[in-house]
Amino acid sequence: DADVTQTPRNRITKTGKRIMLECSQTKGHDRMYWYRQDPGLGLRLIYYSFDVKDINKGEISDGYSVSRQAQAKFSLSLESAIPNQTALYFCATSALTGSKAGELFFGEGSRLTVL
Amino acid sequence: KQEVTQIPAALSVPEGENLVLNCSFTDSAIYNLQWFRQDPGKGLTSLLLIQSSQREQTSGRLNASLDKSSGRSTLYIAASQPGDSATYLCAVFNAGNMLTFGGGTRLMVKP
Repeated sequence: DADVTQTPRNRITKTGKRIMLECSQTKGHDRMYWYRQDPGLGLRLIYYSFDVKDINKGEISDGYSVSRQAQAKFSLSLESAIPNQTALYFCATSALTGSKAGELFFGEGSRLTVL
Repeated sequence: KQEVTQIPAALSVPEGENLVLNCSFTDSAIYNLQWFRQDPGKGLTSLLLIQSSQREQTSGRLNASLDKSSGRSTLYIAASQPGDSATYLCAVFNAGNMLTFGGGTRLMVKP
């Protein structure tokens, strides 16, 4: 089983619909992140969380919200999806301490298409 | 604002060649630098992590170096194989707890 699991892997939706992307991890990491990847724009940080009570905006948080339900779960919501939110979304985790502190581990991605 | 640049954007080599991928960053105040591999439509796989106090890391045929003062890192791939074909991304983790990615180098290794 994957250490970082994202659901759904693919979703097609319509403009204005509410969408939730979920992420769960078995690595025991405190830090979790949501990124989106667009051709020509690379990966950009949407939100990140360093523990259950800590949520921070990234560089492109407008139009998104997140919830850290538990150490292992971090969900991303689009309250009213729009076509320019069509992208590949990645969840990632990292450890706070240890020799591998800061090393990011990514899920397989969730491909979202907004029509 | 940290900017990360990867050169070249694309590279095609015959199997067996040794090759170097380059990554440069504008702000040397980094905590670490990480190299990833991404296959088409897939997630990112961590290849090597170099902490700011380190100068290089090795894993199998891969060797990554870090020169913070000049804002550069290189990923050296020895004896390339067709299975190495993928996009390689570098990312720097800097003050403000932000991980900034480069645009990637798309590598094709021809049999």
